[in-house]
Amino acid sequence: DIQMTQSPSTLSASVGDRVTITCRASQSISRWLGWYQQKPGKAPKLLIYQASSLESGVPSRFSGSGSGTEFTLTISSLQPDDFATYYCQQFNTYSWTFGQGTKVQIK
Amino acid sequence: QVQLVESGGGVVQPGTSLRLSCAASGFTFSSYGMNWVRQAPGKGLEWVAVISYDGSNKDYAASVKGRFTISRDNSKNTIYLQMNSLRAEDTAVYYCAKYRAPYSSSTAGDYWGQGTLVTVSS
Repeated sequence: DIQMTQSPSTLSASVGDRVTITCRASQSISRWLGWYQQKPGKAPKLLIYQASSLESGVPSRFSGSGSGTEFTLTISSLQPDDFATYYCQQFNTYSWTFGQGTKVQIK
Repeated sequence: QVQLVESGGGVVQPGTSLRLSCAASGFTFSSYGMNWVRQAPGKGLEWVAVISYDGSNKDYAASVKGRFTISRDNSKNTIYLQMNSLRAEDTAVYYCAKYRAPYSSSTAGDYWGQGTLVTVSS
């Protein structure tokens, strides 16, 4: 099974900060990776698919990069609405695997 | 607009069964694979099961294999999750999620339901 490891687990930042979250796969997944945002009590929301493609309606301050085993999600200028938990997900195989999540909280 | 509405959750005793449903609308349901994903209280996301657009392919997480069964009825635009031999560790919010691309063997999930809570407790 492919394991996904995110870092950090928690991140404290201020509005306007540039934020980067890293996700590592236990084996190569090419670019079969997605990033999701989840707020308390809500369903996950797809932000990025195929490692770097921005989902429709998602603000351009969100970007993704990477391939193989190393991936990053970057928020170029953190906004108040962005405080949430972020998950990476691999879909290289028929089954999905999620990272453990990164909580972005107010500094 | 795309809508996914889960139902069927509740409080059940260990060892019993429950069937969840996910009713879909706003897209050509029979063209898309569908997934179940769960989230235990205060924990992260755990993929549970997937079913292909035509129901011919299914897969399960190791934690539920042999106990849970995913199915779909394309005439009713609905997927199901039959959960047997429930355990306390199955307690979670269960979400259904739609594949982003049609006829895909695997892709990201672009629409998710609001979730239904399953509590397994004596």
